[in-house]
Amino acid sequence: SQELEQSPQSLIVQEGKNLTINCTSSKTLYGLYWYKQKYGEGLIFLMMLQKGGEEKSHEKITAKLDEKKQQSSLHITASQPSHAGIYLCGAPPPSLSGGYQKVTFGTGTKLQVIP
Amino acid sequence: EAQVTQNPRYLITVTGKKLTVTCSQNMNHEYMSWYRQDPGLGLRQIYYSMNVEVTDKGDVPEGYKVSRKEKRNFPLILESPSPNQTSLYFCASSKSIAGRSTDTQYFGPGTRLTVL
Repeated sequence: SQELEQSPQSLIVQEGKNLTINCTSSKTLYGLYWYKQKYGEGLIFLMMLQKGGEEKSHEKITAKLDEKKQQSSLHITASQPSHAGIYLCGAPPPSLSGGYQKVTFGTGTKLQVIP
Repeated sequence: EAQVTQNPRYLITVTGKKLTVTCSQNMNHEYMSWYRQDPGLGLRQIYYSMNVEVTDKGDVPEGYKVSRKEKRNFPLILESPSPNQTSLYFCASSKSIAGRSTDTQYFGPGTRLTVL
């Protein structure tokens, strides 16, 4: 089965600093979602990447899927307290054969931004 | 406003007392799913539904039941809750099957369940 490993597990940064979160898959990625979760609340969809080398941005958050499609990185520029939360990556399984395609999630990266 | 609602948000119950957590979406989505989130284990899928009367097991279905009689509702039923089902539960919906399109998966606010 596919496994997603996120690093780091937790991160504390000072406001205004840049940071990067990584998501590495044990198998080729056929898509990669990034979500943000406020503590104890539901997940908010940030963006989805599908093609090798693809890069997308949402406000000050940029995510990229590497050419080999086994790793994605999420980069936050000039972090703010509003960026604090848990970031999760999610991916559909490698097989695209018939039937339902389940999303596998990473264990998350907890981000704290100190004013 | 497009949303997924869950009720209750918080629930403390005792072992063996049947309970239902409701989930409703107002976006006419075909696909709905239930997840549980536990520290160190991340988000794991319990059950999913691709449409009315079409449901199937996820990764951790033991001890849970679901039904999909209407498109908008997807309740999660715990017939005989046990302490290992203490968790944070999320319902989600999307227009199409997750992973086959760029359709966003919308999540509910979560239900924090404690089974004593």
